[in-house]
Amino acid sequence: RKEVEQDPGPFNVPEGATVAFNCTYSNSASQSFFWYRQDCRKEPKLLMSVYSSGNEDGRFTAQLNRASQYISLLIRDSKLSDSATYLCVVSQTGANNLFFGTGTRLTVIP
Amino acid sequence: SQTIHQWPATLVQPVGSPLSLECTVEGTSNPNLYWYRQAAGRGLQLLFYSVGIGQISSEVPQNLSASRPQDRQFILSSKKLLLSDSGFYLCAWSRTTRGNYYGYTFGSGTRLTVV
Repeated sequence: RKEVEQDPGPFNVPEGATVAFNCTYSNSASQSFFWYRQDCRKEPKLLMSVYSSGNEDGRFTAQLNRASQYISLLIRDSKLSDSATYLCVVSQTGANNLFFGTGTRLTVIP
Repeated sequence: SQTIHQWPATLVQPVGSPLSLECTVEGTSNPNLYWYRQAAGRGLQLLFYSVGIGQISSEVPQNLSASRPQDRQFILSSKKLLLSDSGFYLCAWSRTTRGNYYGYTFGSGTRLTVV
């Protein structure tokens, strides 16, 4: 079973729409959670960390459900510039690396 | 502020040729360093990580090797490239303490095509 699983998409949404991505992780000992954004042919960049109580950064809201081992990212009022692949990322206590999902591709359409 | 440099950006190499990719970090000391590979349409695969000079951990058996000759320098090498080595190679760094809590910062990557 993969450490992190995401729906690969693609998600094609019109500008201004609200879109949500989900991610599940397999190890209940996971401690830190992130969403990264990767533009085509570019490196991944940290979008936001995901905290237990949920957190918001402008149009982006991240949620964590430890009981269900589930992470979500909500994007409100989608912009064309939000088009990218969104990677769900999980770490574990004692592990020296982060585990990356394969990403969910989003295309925002004019 | 911390920066990470990776080069070259693009590389086309024949099968059987050697490889050397370099990554350097500035603005921090004793970082954790990582090499990842992303094959076309695939997720990120951890190849090597290093917690200090000369300390290399390999995650995937392959014909690649890594070295850390200096605190902020990480090198990925191969003696003979295979077609399957093609991909997008990414170097990353994280803080030594609670590095996983803060996430990683990636270099701009090297796109390698083996022909």
